[in-house]
Amino acid sequence: QKEVEQNSGPLSVPEGAIASLNCTYSDRGSQSFFWYRQYSGKSPELIMFIYSNGDKEDGRFTAQLNKASQYVSLLIRDSQPSDSATYLCAVGLTFGKGTLLTVNP
Amino acid sequence: DTGVSQDPRHKITKRGQNVTFRCDPISEHNRLYWYRQTLGQGPEFLTYFQNEAQLEKSRLLSDRFSAERPKGSFSTLEIQRTEQGDSAMYLCASRTAGTVYEQYFGPGTRLTVT
Repeated sequence: QKEVEQNSGPLSVPEGAIASLNCTYSDRGSQSFFWYRQYSGKSPELIMFIYSNGDKEDGRFTAQLNKASQYVSLLIRDSQPSDSATYLCAVGLTFGKGTLLTVNP
Repeated sequence: DTGVSQDPRHKITKRGQNVTFRCDPISEHNRLYWYRQTLGQGPEFLTYFQNEAQLEKSRLLSDRFSAERPKGSFSTLEIQRTEQGDSAMYLCASRTAGTVYEQYFGPGTRLTVT
């Protein structure tokens, strides 16, 4: 069974800091990797997609993929209180449980 | 509003009853996905369609669940003989094959089985 593991948190960072979110997965054949943001009471929103080893940057977000280690991460630079949400890692069609991020003003 | 709509938004039913949910994707999106999500968990994949073809269905999905997308536009998800464990948020998402970033979730249908 394909598994995606995330630290459930909560992860608390001060405003302006870098938030680092991590995810590991079990299926070595996985080809596509996603990060979603889900605000409380809302549906998930896709924020990053990565499919090759290395880093992918989009604004304040950087996704990092290491297929050999079966590890994918999301860095949020200059964290803002509006970034406070649950961040879901998905590998293919399988989601992790999410990590709750709180950014303190 | 992402452009994906779901109906109803809330459904309360008694155990053993059948329920049907509808999802209307963004009109040009040919892929449609169904997930369910319970509190504190990530979405769990149920099934997905490309146009009217159901391409994948979760092995975890009971035979009580069935989905259709008869004309490649809207989709319905039916749960027969509901159980309390079916209580969850049922989410629909759509995108066009090959355009991963243009993927959007609907607001969900919250099912409560009493």
